[in-house]
Amino acid sequence: RKEVEQDPGPFNVPEGATVAFNCTYSNSASQSFFWYRQDCRKEPKLLMSVYSSGNEDGRFTAQLNRASQYISLLIRDSKLSDSATYLCVVRVPAGTALIFGKGTTLSVSS
Amino acid sequence: EAGVAQSPRYKIIEKRQSVAFWCNPISGHATLYWYQQILGQGPKLLIQFQNNGVVDDSQLPKDRFSAERLKGVDSTLKIQPAKLEDSAVYLCASSHRDNPNEQFFGPGTRLTVL
Repeated sequence: RKEVEQDPGPFNVPEGATVAFNCTYSNSASQSFFWYRQDCRKEPKLLMSVYSSGNEDGRFTAQLNRASQYISLLIRDSKLSDSATYLCVVRVPAGTALIFGKGTTLSVSS
Repeated sequence: EAGVAQSPRYKIIEKRQSVAFWCNPISGHATLYWYQQILGQGPKLLIQFQNNGVVDDSQLPKDRFSAERLKGVDSTLKIQPAKLEDSAVYLCASSHRDNPNEQFFGPGTRLTVL
């Protein structure tokens, strides 16, 4: 079983749509959770951290369910500029490197 | 603030040849990471340095890959000899000691092994 698994995608949605990405992780000792964004042929960049209480940053909402080992990202009112690959990322003990999922590709069209 | 610098940006070699990649992290970032990203996959950690010491190299294929960060600043990753399956983007990232959760990635080196 992969350490971090994501929806295979790709997701093709029109502008203004709401889209949700799901992710599961296998190691119950995972301590930190993130969503990174990677544009085509570019490097990954941190989009947002994910907290147990859920957190929101503008049109983006991230949620974590530790019991189910499940992470989600909701994007509301999709923009063309949201087109990218979204990587689900976990860290086990503090100070260690990040474990990335394969990523889910989002394409927003006009 | 300057970002993570990597060179070269692209490299094409034949199998069994050697290749080296260079990375200069963000100034003041003690932790440096090398990742391998194969097409269609997420980045996979190869090695993590804290200053000039290795923290984690458990996924580094040590029979052909080596990395160093002698002065605790810039780093070099070498592959010798290269195999076809080494074709990937090699990403360098760095993070500050006070915020290890945010890693800043360089643009990567795209390696093609023929």
